[in-house]
Amino acid sequence: LAKTTQPISMDSYEGQEVNITCSHNNIATNDYITWYQQFPSQGPRFIIQGYKTKVTNEVASLFIPADRKSSTLSLPRVSLSDTAVYYCLVGAYLFSGGYNKLIFGAGTRLAVHP
Amino acid sequence: NAGVTQTPKFQVLKTGQSMTLQCAQDMNHEYMSWYRQDPGMGLRLIHYSVGAGITDQGEVPNGYNVSRSTTEDFPLRLLSAAPSQTSVYFCASSLGGRGSSYEQYFGPGTRLTVT
Repeated sequence: LAKTTQPISMDSYEGQEVNITCSHNNIATNDYITWYQQFPSQGPRFIIQGYKTKVTNEVASLFIPADRKSSTLSLPRVSLSDTAVYYCLVGAYLFSGGYNKLIFGAGTRLAVHP
Repeated sequence: NAGVTQTPKFQVLKTGQSMTLQCAQDMNHEYMSWYRQDPGMGLRLIHYSVGAGITDQGEVPNGYNVSRSTTEDFPLRLLSAAPSQTSVYFCASSLGGRGSSYEQYFGPGTRLTVT
C-alpha cells in the first residue's frame, strides 16, 4: 500500500489560494490519487481524483507531476468555510474485482482566517 | 436518495456488552466499508465488502464482525465492547470496480462511548 505524507497543519487567509502537497513515493502504476475534505462531526467528502497531469473541477484542482511521486491539491480563493481537514489517499481497485484498501492518513488541518 | 444512513447516532455501552451498528445505502453500490476515527486522528479501516456475501478485514478488525446479506445493508457488530473501542464510526459506500470513480459516500457517523 502506498504511504502518503502531508503537512500536519496549514494556515491561510480568506481570498488566498491554498496548495496542499502530498508525498507518495511508492505509488503503484495502477494507483489513483484521491482527496477528501472533512468538517468536524461529519464524514469525509470526496473532493477530486486524478491519475496524472492536471484535473480541475468546480471546487479544486489537482496537479500531478510526471513521476507521480507527489500531488498538490489547489483550493482557489479560500473562505472561512474551507476550514477543515484534508486527506490524500492513494490506491486502486484490483483488476480481479478485489478492493485495494484505501488508507486515510492523519490529514492536513487547514485553518482559514478572516 | 437518502445516501448512506447510520443508526444510532450516539450510543453508550458498558464494558462487555455487545451491539450492532447499522448502515444502509440506497445507491446500489457494490462496495461498502466501516471506519473508525479516534479524536484528532485519521480514519482507520475496520472491515469492507465488495458485494453481497463477500467481506474482508481492514487495518483494525479485532473485536468487530461484519456480514453482507444484501447490497443495501452492512451492519457492524461489536462482540464484547471495550473502552478502547470508544470512537466515531463511519460507514461508506462506493461504486467500485476498475475504471470507476474512487468517490466514497460517507454516512453521518455513530459516536460510541464504552465505559
